[in-house]
Amino acid sequence: DVKVTQSSRYLVKRTGEKVFLECVQDMDHENMFWYRQDPGLGLRLIYFSYDVKMKEKGDIPEGYSVSREKKERFSLILESASTNQTSMYLCASSLGRPLRGNQPQHFGDGTRLSIL
Amino acid sequence: AQSVTQLDSQVPVFEEAPVELRCNYSSSVSVYLFWYVQYPNQGLQLLLKYLSGSTLVKGINGFEAEFNKSQTSFHLRKPSVHISDTAEYFCAVSVGGGADGLTFGKGTHLIIQP
Repeated sequence: DVKVTQSSRYLVKRTGEKVFLECVQDMDHENMFWYRQDPGLGLRLIYFSYDVKMKEKGDIPEGYSVSREKKERFSLILESASTNQTSMYLCASSLGRPLRGNQPQHFGDGTRLSIL
Repeated sequence: AQSVTQLDSQVPVFEEAPVELRCNYSSSVSVYLFWYVQYPNQGLQLLLKYLSGSTLVKGINGFEAEFNKSQTSFHLRKPSVHISDTAEYFCAVSVGGGADGLTFGKGTHLIIQP
């Protein structure tokens, strides 16, 4: 089974802090994704990556950045945390070939982040 | 760009009754369709997917879904629900030929009443 591991289940940070959320997958997947989940809004894509050192913006990238130095690890960075970034963050991975679109994504258990 | 509409935010159902969770999508190109389930305090788990071929797709835990291209729908069904099916269900779409992640609906909370 694919295992996607997010480093923290719960995290509390203060406004203005730089926050790192880490995600590791063990199935050699090319694609990795970061979503945030808010009640009534479903999941929204923040950033994704198809390869090492490659990143693309999703639907709501403002206030976030990402890093993918190794294939198995994808980090989400909140440069200067704000209260409106309090949310559940979900990481996912999928196979990249032959077509990206038809591969199901495998999700981690999420990180519930609170910004005070 | 594609979008997904889940018509019901909450669906209460009695145990052992049938259920249908509705999902409609919009896209100008061919799509791949997915249903995911999220149990409390967990990530999302794939229930089933439609890629091509038969329009009736069977998934885990007794769920199935039917792809209807003319109505741009992908409704999820189960003939008899159990208390353990209480969860949030998400419909998602990706565009064929190279997707930029999944586009999710806002979710439907399935509440099973004893």
